[in-house]
Amino acid sequence: GENVEQHPSTLSVQEGDSAVIKCTYSDSASNYFPWYKQELGKGPQLIIDIRSNVGEKKDQRIAVTLNKTAKHFSLHITETQPEDSAVYFCAATGGGADGLTFGKGTHLIIQP
Amino acid sequence: DSGVTQTPKHLITATGQRVTLRCSPRSGDLSVYWYQQSLDQGLQFLIQYYNGEERAKGNILERFSAQQFPDLHSELNLSSLELGDSALYFCASSVVAGYYTFGSGTRLTVV
Repeated sequence: GENVEQHPSTLSVQEGDSAVIKCTYSDSASNYFPWYKQELGKGPQLIIDIRSNVGEKKDQRIAVTLNKTAKHFSLHITETQPEDSAVYFCAATGGGADGLTFGKGTHLIIQP
Repeated sequence: DSGVTQTPKHLITATGQRVTLRCSPRSGDLSVYWYQQSLDQGLQFLIQYYNGEERAKGNILERFSAQQFPDLHSELNLSSLELGDSALYFCASSVVAGYYTFGSGTRLTVV
C-alpha cells in the first residue's frame, strides 16, 4: 500500500516569513495529493490539492508543487500569519476505493 | 460547519465496554470514511462505505465494525474497548474519490 512520509514534524517561523513542508510518497499509481489544515479541536480541513497531471498550483499565499519523478510534493506558505498556526497533513491516493494515506503531520508555529 | 455531523463529540467509557459513533455525511455525498487519529499513529484509515456497501478496509481491528444505512448515515461500533482505543475518531464524506470533507470528530476516552 501507499506510504507517505512528512517532514518536518515541527516548524517554527517568524510571522511574515515563508514555511515549507515536504512529503514523499511510495506508490507511483497515486494521482491526487491534498493538504489539510487541522486546528485544535477541529477536523482536518482541505486547503489545497494537486493532481498528478499538474506540477504546481497556487491559491493566494498557499502553493503546492509536485515532482512525480521523485515522488515528492511540498506545501509552501508565504507571508505567514498567526492564523496559519496549526497542524498540516499531506496525503496521497490513487483515486481508488482505498482511503487517503496521510503523513504524520507538521505542527506549524508562527512566532510573532 | 463542514456539513459532516458527528455525534457524540466526547465519550468516556470503561474498558471492555461497547460504544457507537455516528456520522451524517454532507448532503449528496455517497461515500463515508472512518479514520482514527492518535498522537503516535496519526490519521489511520479504518473503513469506507459507498452507498450502503463496504468498499475498502484499512487498519480496522476485528473488535470494530461499521455500517452505512439507507439514509447514508454511518455508525462505527467499537467493542471490548481497551485503553489503547482512546483516540479521536473522524468521519469524512465525499462525492468524488479524494475530495474529503471531515467532521469535527468524536473524542473517545477509555478508562
